[in-house]
Amino acid sequence: GESVGLHLPTLSVQEGDNSIINCAYSNSASDYFIWYKQESGKGPQFIIDIRSNMDKRQGQRVTVLLNKTVKHLSLQIAATQPGDSAVYFCAEKARGATNKLIFGTGTLLAVQP
Amino acid sequence: DAGITQSPRHKVTETGTPVTLRCHQTENHRYMYWYRQDPGHGLRLIHYSYGVKDTDKGEVSDGYSVSRSKTEDFLLTLESATSSQTSVYFCAISESTSGSYEQYFGPGTRLTVT
Repeated sequence: GESVGLHLPTLSVQEGDNSIINCAYSNSASDYFIWYKQESGKGPQFIIDIRSNMDKRQGQRVTVLLNKTVKHLSLQIAATQPGDSAVYFCAEKARGATNKLIFGTGTLLAVQP
Repeated sequence: DAGITQSPRHKVTETGTPVTLRCHQTENHRYMYWYRQDPGHGLRLIHYSYGVKDTDKGEVSDGYSVSRSKTEDFLLTLESATSSQTSVYFCAISESTSGSYEQYFGPGTRLTVT
């Protein structure tokens, strides 16, 4: 709900601009990464995922970039819209960990009209 | 919400009382999870299940127990609720296929312990 957005880093962008949300992960053995979007009062929704054998993956208006050298993941949203306003989480899965994800704390994206 | 329901959606209870939250899925997915979400924290795993009667602890399991007697239902029980368990609880399901480990989340249950 609304309380999810408190205490989170916030990215404020103008409608129509591109957004870049960053995530640092800690486990160099992680082999799978995923981005979720969470709107106020709702459960997280899948946006896009990427395996560690890839550097880039594109979806509709979104691109995920993976830099394994510095353990960094980013989500790029093209032509940001007011409906993109939400909290965005990255999550990682360690190699060998069956279907268990570790979630980051999230970034609040605020789109200004 | 991918065929996942949670009940109740909101609950207020007193310290020391037992509370059970229910997660129900219609997707026949093997894996089910309970998370809690608090301000300043990401989703933290409480318990998860990898099949009927097969469960394991997550990172914040103290004070919680779970049961899964049917594929479609995963229950989370707070044996004696404390104020520190005031939180939003999310259930999730997944089925590992083709190297995708996507989890689908329910709408959440807001629990307040007074």
